[in-house]
Amino acid sequence: EAQVTQNPRYLITVTGKKLTVTCSQNMNHEYMSWYRQDPGLGLRQIYYSMNVEVTDKGDVPEGYKVSRKEKRNFPLILESPSPNQTSLYFCASSLLASGVSDTQYFGPGTRLTVL
Amino acid sequence: QKEVEQDPGPLSVPEGAIVSLNCTYSNSAFQYFMWYRQYSRKGPELLMYTYSSGNKEDGRFTAQVDKSSKYISLFIRDSQPSDSATYLCAPRAGGSYIPTFGRGTSLIVHP
Repeated sequence: EAQVTQNPRYLITVTGKKLTVTCSQNMNHEYMSWYRQDPGLGLRQIYYSMNVEVTDKGDVPEGYKVSRKEKRNFPLILESPSPNQTSLYFCASSLLASGVSDTQYFGPGTRLTVL
Repeated sequence: QKEVEQDPGPLSVPEGAIVSLNCTYSNSAFQYFMWYRQYSRKGPELLMYTYSSGNKEDGRFTAQVDKSSKYISLFIRDSQPSDSATYLCAPRAGGSYIPTFGRGTSLIVHP
């Protein structure tokens, strides 16, 4: 089954404790992206990657890191989480082909709470 | 002004009603227009995709784009309780792979 998986689905942590949210897709997609979704603000892009070893900042990259060492994986790293990073996080992937690239497949989401 | 504006709702309608969901945008470079549907506690999924101005129909759903007024609409005919979700418009510019998401409109269809 074609899918994007994220782990963990729920996480409660404390300020300053480094964490990683994993994202994996099995569709051989070049493009992968991380979003955060907050009430009243909608989906905001954190980072994206056009292919292996190619990453770039989205609209709200501060406090986050990513890496793309393999095509299927795109982990999101919070080196020193703060309460304002409490949010619902989505990973997404898509093929980079005309007319097809707009079909972004989203993961199930990770609800992060930073105390 | 945000690039894409959407009324967050909620929009509450009775089953069987025709629903109109709308977005306005400010970027003239937007050429591709997507609608995503997001059920509660799930990730968004692509619902409709249109290029440039005009209408596109898929079953009970019709997407309409008016580039002259920078206005995007999604119509749902014979709405069902299973249509209850948040609908996000997501236009993007030609040559860019990155859509700009609206905040989403929450739709509630009650039996």
